[in-house]
Amino acid sequence: EAGVAQSPRYKIIEKRQSVAFWCNPISGHATLYWYQQILGQGPKLLIQFQNNGVVDDSQLPKDRFSAERLKGVDSTLKIQPAKLEDSAVYLCASSPGTASSYEQYFGPGTRLTVT
Amino acid sequence: AQSVTQLDSQVPVFEEAPVELRCNYSSSVSVYLFWYVQYPNQGLQLLLKYLSGSTLVKGINGFEAEFNKSQTSFHLRKPSVHISDTAEYFCAVSGRSGGYNKLIFGAGTRLAVHP
Repeated sequence: EAGVAQSPRYKIIEKRQSVAFWCNPISGHATLYWYQQILGQGPKLLIQFQNNGVVDDSQLPKDRFSAERLKGVDSTLKIQPAKLEDSAVYLCASSPGTASSYEQYFGPGTRLTVT
Repeated sequence: AQSVTQLDSQVPVFEEAPVELRCNYSSSVSVYLFWYVQYPNQGLQLLLKYLSGSTLVKGINGFEAEFNKSQTSFHLRKPSVHISDTAEYFCAVSGRSGGYNKLIFGAGTRLAVHP
């Protein structure tokens, strides 16, 4: 079974530029999560999708961050414009999405550096 | 609301020595608890989980954890560590958001195993 795929693995941009990250979850997983992990901290949930609908985006800075999962499969997270404090690892995770499924499966992450 | 506190940000230990990584949680409802490991430049991998039943949970790589409801703790232990166990360890507690399952992570504990 293929795991969660993310690209790119690394990205360096200047502040005020835009950037996009891509995630392909495990086949058949209904729930998809995007996390931000700042150096020295635990993952912080940015947005959670159930199929192609958003169920939690309470911690997503909506003035600059956006995310979509149009066909309920892969997803894109965008930052526009980027700030220095957006430097972090962006992790994508997926879960079967059933009532009893709490375990999440993580991709390798995208390390973003904003200069 | 749920929260997780990992009491040690760093734990240095010599190879073949025992180790305990401490985790305390708070929740007003029944919880499920998890330990994840993150190796350098990789995503998170599930070590073990407590959903119900026996309070002593065994996971991969020789790790185990004990759920203590009265002390609201879920400490991770290994009787003899290896150099390869050097990594970041995250404790997580289950939660609900918009009717769906989510995880709340602690800040992490960096385990450094020395020869």
